[in-house]
Amino acid sequence: DAGVIQSPRHEVTEMGQEVTLRCKPISGHNSLFWYRQTMMRGLELLIYFNNNVPIDDSGMPEDRFSAKMPNASFSTLKIQPSEPRDSAVYFCASTPQGANNYEQYFGPGTRLTVT
Amino acid sequence: EDQVTQSPEALRLQEGESSSLNCSYTVSGLRGLFWYRQDPGKGPEFLFTLYSAGEEKEKERLKATLTKKESFLHITAPKPEESATYLCAVRRGSYIPTFGRGTSLIVHP
Repeated sequence: DAGVIQSPRHEVTEMGQEVTLRCKPISGHNSLFWYRQTMMRGLELLIYFNNNVPIDDSGMPEDRFSAKMPNASFSTLKIQPSEPRDSAVYFCASTPQGANNYEQYFGPGTRLTVT
Repeated sequence: EDQVTQSPEALRLQEGESSSLNCSYTVSGLRGLFWYRQDPGKGPEFLFTLYSAGEEKEKERLKATLTKKESFLHITAPKPEESATYLCAVRRGSYIPTFGRGTSLIVHP
């Protein structure tokens, strides 16, 4: 299994530009999570999908952030317009279906730098 | 609000020097406590899930234990390749976990 795939691995953009991060979860996993990690705040959950439906987006910092999951094998996190404070590593994680299996499988992350 | 506090923030050990990492939590109706390992430049990697007080799990030189207020990750005779950040997370009710800030472990040869 290839694991969770994220792209790009690194993104450098200027303030005000649109940024789109992409994630392909592990096949057969029905839950998908987007996280942001910074030195100051640690690992923060942004949004959680179950069976392609957004369940909890209370962690999305503001309206500049949006996430979609059009099918079971693809999700995007978009920031428009981007700001320097959005600089962080963004992780996508997926979880297999099953009432007692909550372990999360993380992707390698996208390091975003907004100048 | 769920809270997870990990200590120490950083730990330096000599190879072979056993120690423990602590994860203290405040959550009503714990549905699982998770330990992850994160190497620099990579995503967290799942290690263990503990569900109830008194439960223990082992993997190679790692052993995780759980009480009603905290969890310990014991590292026996660590090797330099076990240098990483170890993250703890708790979950109640839904799938949504709350992560601690992690303990950065450095094992010197």
